[in-house]
Amino acid sequence: GNSVTQMEGPVTLSEEAFLTINCTYTATGYPSLFWYVQYPGEGLQLLLKATKADDKGSNKGFEATYRKETTSFHLEKGSVQVSDSAVYFCALSDLGGNEKLTFGTGTRLTIIP
Amino acid sequence: EPEVTQTPSHQVTQMGQEVILRCVPISNHLYFYWYRQILGQKVEFLVSFYNNEISEKSEIFDDQFSVERPDGSNFTLKIRSTKLEDSAMYFCASSSTRGRSEKLFFGSGTQLSVL
Repeated sequence: GNSVTQMEGPVTLSEEAFLTINCTYTATGYPSLFWYVQYPGEGLQLLLKATKADDKGSNKGFEATYRKETTSFHLEKGSVQVSDSAVYFCALSDLGGNEKLTFGTGTRLTIIP
Repeated sequence: EPEVTQTPSHQVTQMGQEVILRCVPISNHLYFYWYRQILGQKVEFLVSFYNNEISEKSEIFDDQFSVERPDGSNFTLKIRSTKLEDSAMYFCASSSTRGRSEKLFFGSGTQLSVL
């Protein structure tokens, strides 16, 4: 079956540091890949997505590239801010859309000034 | 931006009791979902609902679970006889269409604690 393996947290970084949160997946066919973010007290929000190999999703300075050869979708940001502190979830859907997402465990990120 | 609203934010119940988790999806959305996350584990799909019926459900969604859209605005998840292992964060979500370009909107979750 489908699965998503995400970098264990929590992760603590200083402001302006470079961020990488690793995500690898196992799926049949050609899944769509997503990063969701949950800020304190809020719901899960779509951060970015990629629907085919070599696509790069980007939003709010975050990027992730769909790497079929390594089955990975690592999240990166060049310079993190305190406001980026949240829980980040990697997810996939193999039904061509948002139905039945398979999530990772989430990575809690804390940015200190 | 429109949002999905879940109430209550935290629910405490005794084992064996019935509990109803409530969600108000975005008003023009047609597809509704429940997910849950047990502490320290992955967010898991429970059920999807469209046109007043379940379109897909996971193995977790057994006879103890049911969903309902009792009126035009609410979407509820009922657990008939709660077990300790039902303790989790439950997320409701909705979308207006299915397809690669559509975003799924999630609520902030209800933390269910079964004692």
